[in-house]
Amino acid sequence: GAVVSQHPSRVICKSGTSVKIECRSLDFQATTMFWYRQFPKQSLMLMATSNEGSKATYEQGVEKDKFLINHASLTLSTLTVTSAHPEDSSFYICSARASSGHTEAFFGQGTRLTVV
Amino acid sequence: RKEVEQDPGPFNVPEGATVAFNCTYSNSASQSFFWYRQDCRKEPKLLMSVYSSGNEDGRFTAQLNRASQYISLLIRDSKLSDSATYLCVVRSSASKIIFGSGTRLSIRP
Repeated sequence: GAVVSQHPSRVICKSGTSVKIECRSLDFQATTMFWYRQFPKQSLMLMATSNEGSKATYEQGVEKDKFLINHASLTLSTLTVTSAHPEDSSFYICSARASSGHTEAFFGQGTRLTVV
Repeated sequence: RKEVEQDPGPFNVPEGATVAFNCTYSNSASQSFFWYRQDCRKEPKLLMSVYSSGNEDGRFTAQLNRASQYISLLIRDSKLSDSATYLCVVRSSASKIIFGSGTRLSIRP
């Protein structure tokens, strides 16, 4: 299957700092990328959907000024958690879809963020 | 009401048993349906797509009922390695991909 690379896999940061997570599609062009968050023993929750070259669409309850998403190219999307707090500690996963004709989404390995 | 709902389980069944999961979705305009599998602390991986006519892949059978807005996954002759969380995934008409909360399956020897 297609490969989506997410980096870093783990990050520990101090409260108040910002953290950037990268999601790259390695062997296909991703017109749409999705960012999810998963708290322990809970389901994946969609945070936002981004299409290349346009602003991300955020789900209700997700602060767009706190979770900055950039999808500047067809192979890269970034999620920046700004002014991170301990409650932002979670498992963040991106997924990418090739084009409107493809329905399957491929997942990055996930990033475990711990804010101390 | 959640867009995609699943019984969280856990389902604890003996090896060799047949187990079935259901999932309901609220958006009647939803276009595509999938079952994903997620192992502990790993990313979800596609198990199978779900087609209108139903489809089978080895021990796994998926079915879609658009009238009642539910999809199902049947696992026959379960193996220890089938222990995981199974996620029902629906792509809406707006192209959002929404996950169910997942059903935990534990196969015991």
